Amino acid sequence: DAGVIQSPRHEVTEMGQEVTLRCKPISGHDYLFWYRQTMMRGLELLIYFNNNVPIDDSGMPEDRFSAKMPNASFSTLKIQPSEPRDSAVYFCASSRRGPWTSGGGYNEQFFGPGTRLTVL
Amino acid sequence: KNQVEQSPQSLIILEGKNCTLQCNYTVSPFSNLRWYKQDTGRGPVSLTIMTFSENTKSNGRYTATLDADTKQSSLHITASQLSDSASYICVVSGGENAGNNRKLIWGLGTSLAVNP
Repeated sequence: DAGVIQSPRHEVTEMGQEVTLRCKPISGHDYLFWYRQTMMRGLELLIYFNNNVPIDDSGMPEDRFSAKMPNASFSTLKIQPSEPRDSAVYFCASSRRGPWTSGGGYNEQFFGPGTRLTVL
Repeated sequence: KNQVEQSPQSLIILEGKNCTLQCNYTVSPFSNLRWYKQDTGRGPVSLTIMTFSENTKSNGRYTATLDADTKQSSLHITASQLSDSASYICVVSGGENAGNNRKLIWGLGTSLAVNP
């Protein structure tokens, strides 16, 4: 398996522009997570999906952020309009089961390589 | 408030030495605790998972411990290598899979540098 695939790897844009980040999870994984990582705040869970349905988006910072998962093999995170404070590394992760499950190894999250976003 | 605190924030050791990283949490109810290793420029990779009933678990030169009573975990690295230079992140999961009180709380990580 190729693992979680993210694109683009790097994105530089100007303030006010729309940014779309893409993710392909590992086949057979029912959960997909979007994270944002900064030096100051570490990894922050933005939203997660279970079987393509958004379950918890309480981590999405504001209405400028939106995420979709139209099918089991594709998800997008969109920022419109982008602002300099959105600059961060955005990770997508997938898991076979929810990380809250107490048994077995199927709740491990597998992370993609990340997208480094710079908003000027 | 659900929190995960890691210490030290950063650590520098010489190759071949041992070190111990700490993780304290207040997440309740507790489901499991994972340690992740994150190399520079890459996504985190799981090292080990600890459930409520487990006290110690090893993965090669990495040994994790869990004290569920004091809500503390440690990650011990033996005979460090240059490739161990990375950020080590502790994440605590709480709640049950079908419940409404699921939590996934990440620590800020410990940055480890192993020097020759």
